[in-house]
Amino acid sequence: RKEVEQDPGPFNVPEGATVAFNCTYSNSASQSFFWYRQDCRKEPKLLMSVYSSGNEDGRFTAQLNRASQYISLLIRDSKLSDSATYLCVVTPSGYSTLTFGKGTMLLVSP
Amino acid sequence: EAQVTQNPRYLITVTGKKLTVTCSQNMNHEYMSWYRQDPGLGLRQIYYSMNVEVTDKGDVPEGYKVSRKEKRNFPLILESPSPNQTSLYFCASRTLGEGTQYFGPGTRLTVL
Repeated sequence: RKEVEQDPGPFNVPEGATVAFNCTYSNSASQSFFWYRQDCRKEPKLLMSVYSSGNEDGRFTAQLNRASQYISLLIRDSKLSDSATYLCVVTPSGYSTLTFGKGTMLLVSP
Repeated sequence: EAQVTQNPRYLITVTGKKLTVTCSQNMNHEYMSWYRQDPGLGLRQIYYSMNVEVTDKGDVPEGYKVSRKEKRNFPLILESPSPNQTSLYFCASRTLGEGTQYFGPGTRLTVL
């Protein structure tokens, strides 16, 4: 089983839609989790951290399910500008390494 | 402005001609690393460094060298580039013990 797995997509959604991505991880010792966003041919940038109790940042909600070893990202009211690839990142305690998923591509259309 | 810079941004070269891609950060980060990104393979770590004069192999180190003589700089060296090293390369840095990683803008390398 790969360390971090994501559905590559693409997820094609209309503007205004709600879309959710999941990311599964294999290392049960993983302690911290993040979502990064990468626009086409650009560098990845931190979108948000994922906290145990779940957290929101505007239209974005991140959730963690330790029992099933997955994290999720929910985007409400999708905008054209949300079109990007979303990378899941997992790290053990101490942040010694960051393990990146291959990403899920989102395409929001008018 | 806090940033990671890379040069060159684009490079076309020929097999066997040594090249260096520079990387510099102005955030006093201890940790720096190099990744390559290829379609369908995601980001793969080449080398990383936890501090000056401390470097270690990542997942795909073959054909690459690095050095960390100064905290802010972490150049990537291809002694004898081959076509299978054609890729998009990212340098990144972060504070040890934190998960927020800052990436450079990328270097698109083509080896003919």
